[in-house]
Parts: sequence; C-alpha cells; structure tokens
Amino acid sequence: EDQVTQSPEALRLQEGESSSLNCSYTVSGLRGLFWYRQDPGKGPEFLFTLYSAGEEKEKERLKATLTKKESFLHITAPKPEDSATYLCAPSRGNTPLVFGKGTRLSVIA
Amino acid sequence: DTGVSQDPRHKITKRGQNVTFRCDPISEHNRLYWYRQTLGQGPEFLTYFQNEAQLEKSRLLSDRFSAERPKGSFSTLEIQRTEQGDSAMYLCASSFQGGEQFFGPGTRLTVL
Repeated sequence: EDQVTQSPEALRLQEGESSSLNCSYTVSGLRGLFWYRQDPGKGPEFLFTLYSAGEEKEKERLKATLTKKESFLHITAPKPEDSATYLCAPSRGNTPLVFGKGTRLSVIA
Repeated sequence: DTGVSQDPRHKITKRGQNVTFRCDPISEHNRLYWYRQTLGQGPEFLTYFQNEAQLEKSRLLSDRFSAERPKGSFSTLEIQRTEQGDSAMYLCASSFQGGEQFFGPGTRLTVL
C-alpha cells in the first residue's frame, strides 16, 4: 500500500529563516511527485512536479528536490505570505494521488 | 480559461437530507477527480472519471455516494441520507491524462 509521510507536521519560522520540509514515500513505480500549497478554506494550488531522482525545480523562494525515497521543499528567506499548508503527493501516473497530511508552515514577521 | 469551478462553495444541511455538488473542470482536461478533505488531513481520493467513464472508486465511497459525468464535461457528486460524518471539504480536480491535477476551491459541507 502506498504511504506518504510529511514532516514536520507544523513549522514556525521567523521571516527570513530558511528551512526544509520533508516528504517520505513508499510508492512502487513512481512516475512523478507533486507539491501543492493550500491556504485555509481553499483548494490546493499546484506548485511543482518532479519526475526523477536528482531533479530540482524552483519558484520564487521555493525549491523542490527529489530522491528515490523522499522529496524536500526548501524555503529560502520566507515571508509571511508563504504561510500555508504544503502537501506532497507521489503518483504512479494513471492512478489517483495519495496525499500526505501536509506541513503547516507559519512565517512570523 | 478560468480554472476548475465548484458549486456551491458552502452547504449546510440536516442529517438525512440529500445534497448534490457540481464541478466544472478545465475545458481541455479529460480526467476529473473527486476528493474529500477533513481538518488536519490531506485530500482523500473518492472517485475519478476519464471523459464520461467512471474508472475507479475508493472504498471510502459508500453506497450513499454517487457521481456522474454526463457527456464528459461537468460532474456531479450526490450524497444521499447525509450523516454528520460526511461533514468535510469536497474537492474536485481535473487533469489531462495522468498529468498535474488542478483543484477547484472546494465545497464545504456541514451536516447538522
């Protein structure tokens, strides 16, 4: 059975304090791993797709990386507007996504 | 293209009533997914369609739940005889084949 574990569950950072979020997975036949951002009361917003180990993608202050067993979302010099829940979901391509519980990020000014 | 839309955004109902939600996907997307999300959890898969065919249903989808996607365009999710445990955010997403899924804003259901 596919399993996805995200850590930490919650993270509180000062503005400008860089950190990383972790997504560990056990999924056979991985075809891609998705990262989403979700604000309270809203649907998840697509951020990145990573397809192979060693791949990296960046968007503003976020950088996502992928290994064979986990993915990291690095946040560099975060701002309060980066506060949200970050969700990861590995995919086997033609099956529905299995999401982790997410990491709730709070960035304090 | 305005993205995935869902209607209504909020629904309050009494236990035992039936409710129906609608999802309009991104127009060029052939796949449409329904998920349910409760507080502190990630979205959980319910069912998905490729065009008008319902290809997979989760064990979470009890007999009281039914989904349709007539003509492969919009989709509806109906919950019959609602229970308090059905209270959740119901999310719809669409994709082209197995690519990135784009989510709608969700329908928040409260069962009293």
